[in-house]
Amino acid sequence: EAGVVQSPRYKIIEKKQPVAFWCNPISGHNTLYWYLQNLGQGPELLIRYENEEAVDDSQLPKDRFSAERLKGVDSTLKIQPAELGDSAVYLCASSRAGHLGSGRNTGELFFGEGSRLTVL
Amino acid sequence: GENVEQHPSTLSVQEGDSAVIKCTYSDSASNYFPWYKQELGKRPQLIIDIRSNVGEKKDQRIAVTLNKTAKHFSLHITETQPEDSAVYFCAARYSSASKIIFGSGTRLSIRP
Repeated sequence: EAGVVQSPRYKIIEKKQPVAFWCNPISGHNTLYWYLQNLGQGPELLIRYENEEAVDDSQLPKDRFSAERLKGVDSTLKIQPAELGDSAVYLCASSRAGHLGSGRNTGELFFGEGSRLTVL
Repeated sequence: GENVEQHPSTLSVQEGDSAVIKCTYSDSASNYFPWYKQELGKRPQLIIDIRSNVGEKKDQRIAVTLNKTAKHFSLHITETQPEDSAVYFCAARYSSASKIIFGSGTRLSIRP
């Protein structure tokens, strides 16, 4: 089974430039998450999708960040314009269901390798 | 608000000794508590999880305990080995929003 795929793995841009990250979740996983991870910190949730619907975007800085998950599969996270403080790793994760079910592994998050952003 | 506190932030133990990492959560309705291991430059990976209807779960050298009354849970690693060196994150699923909140991580180092 293919894992969560993210691209690009690394991106270096100058401040005020736009940047976009792409995520392809595990096939059949209807829940998709975007997390931000600063160095030495735990992942912080930015947005969560159930299929194509964004059900939790309360932590997404909507003045510069946007996300979409057209057709409920792949997702794109965009930052425009980027600021110095946006330098971080952007992690995408997927899970089989949005709530705990009876399955042993239901609810487990599978993470991608992450996209490391450096804003100069 | 929703919060997961994790301690210690760094931990160094002698190879073969045990390591314990502790976390507390704020929402008493939380019902799922996973632990993730993240090696340098790699993705976080689930190593063990526990649900609120269970007090303890063990998988070979790792175990997790949950105290719902006190709202805290712990990861125990016995007979530590060099490959256990990594950053460990606890997390809690907040049932009100079905989202997973992570702790700030513990960097575990195993001394040879």
